[in-house]
Amino acid sequence: DVKVTQSSRYLVKRTGEKVFLECVQDMDHENMFWYRQDPGLGLRLIYFSYDVKMKEKGDIPEGYSVSREKKERFSLILESASTNQTSMYLCASSYLYGYTFGSGTRLTVV
Amino acid sequence: GIQVEQSPPDLILQEGANSTLRCNFSDSVNNLQWFHQNPWGQLINLFYIPSGTKQNGRLSATTVATERYSLLYISSSQTTDSGVYFCAVPPTDMRFGAGTRLTVKP
Repeated sequence: DVKVTQSSRYLVKRTGEKVFLECVQDMDHENMFWYRQDPGLGLRLIYFSYDVKMKEKGDIPEGYSVSREKKERFSLILESASTNQTSMYLCASSYLYGYTFGSGTRLTVV
Repeated sequence: GIQVEQSPPDLILQEGANSTLRCNFSDSVNNLQWFHQNPWGQLINLFYIPSGTKQNGRLSATTVATERYSLLYISSSQTTDSGVYFCAVPPTDMRFGAGTRLTVKP
């Protein structure tokens, strides 16, 4: 069964901390994505990557960066966490026939 | 990028009722996917349906690519159908609709 694994289900961080959210897929997919989900706003794309070391900005990249050193791993980095980055973060990977999502990381910045 | 619009935004049903959710998209697509997000936040694939009709139990989906819409039908709804339903246009356009929040009451 295909799998996308996010390293943490719940995370609490302090304002100003550097935060790493990790995502690993075992399907050899080229494309990987990071979304955030907030009530009433649906899923908003932060960054995506279609190959190793490649990255593209999505709709809301400000305050975030990403790293993809290996095909299976796509990391989202909050350089200096702020309270407005409190959200549910969802990682996905895809090939031809659609997305597979991880279980999500609920991040709270205090 | 492609714009994806879903309707209705909210839907409340009595258990056993049928419902139709709609997804409109602004341009031609090669792929369209429906998801259900359960109360714990997990997004679960329902259908990959770029065109035509597919059925899986009480759920079925139809995409009319030439008219740029897709429909998700839920028959004999159950409380476990509650959650948010999203359509999306993978893999490269990466655009999701805002979702339809379905509440099925016992």
